[in-house]
Amino acid sequence: ETGVTQTPRHLVMGMTNKKSLKCEQHLGHNAMYWYKQSAKKPLELMFVYNFKEQTENNSVPSRFSPECPNSSHLFLHLHTLQPEDSALYLCASSQGGRGQGVTNEKLFFGSGTQLSVL
Amino acid sequence: EDQVTQSPEALRLQEGESSSLNCSYTVSGLRGLFWYRQDPGKGPEFLFTLYSAGEEKEKERLKATLTKKESFLHITAPKPEDSATYLCAVLGSSNTGKLIFGQGTTLQVKP
Repeated sequence: ETGVTQTPRHLVMGMTNKKSLKCEQHLGHNAMYWYKQSAKKPLELMFVYNFKEQTENNSVPSRFSPECPNSSHLFLHLHTLQPEDSALYLCASSQGGRGQGVTNEKLFFGSGTQLSVL
Repeated sequence: EDQVTQSPEALRLQEGESSSLNCSYTVSGLRGLFWYRQDPGKGPEFLFTLYSAGEEKEKERLKATLTKKESFLHITAPKPEDSATYLCAVLGSSNTGKLIFGQGTTLQVKP
């Protein structure tokens, strides 16, 4: 148990559906992340939030919409996805640092949501 | 552009057969090199952070080392429970908070 919980674990959706992924961390961290992991590809950073403020958007298409209501919760809203968006979506958290941005402390990952877009 | 290359892509070992995994990197101003372990169906789990050339860290059968161009993850007398995918990542001075990951090495240890 890493202290980072993601739901659902598996999700199958059509290209016209709207769904949301949820992440909750119980570690008292202030920074939260969304990563995408596709088969045979490196982990790819999508978004970073530090103290609820978005500090990184790695050129992610607008069909992915993040939301961070507080430092413990992170959502990824999905709409009109494409089949190539099928992947494992991982949430992570770290200590974070106010005023200096996110520093190089270690990440704690959830188990991910395996997303299939039909 | 910061880049990380891991080799081999896959490695099969017999239990007790020691070996090393390689992580070659190109980064402007290394702020840290990270090793993670990922089991099937789970997210990556942090193992080590190395900050400067010559640094070494150990955890059970694993030992990570760092030079100016690469890092090695040495596995001594592995056991089947060491089977996993091992990920390497770097943080450079031009990418605050943005780890650059390699593709990973999938290790299988047979009893």
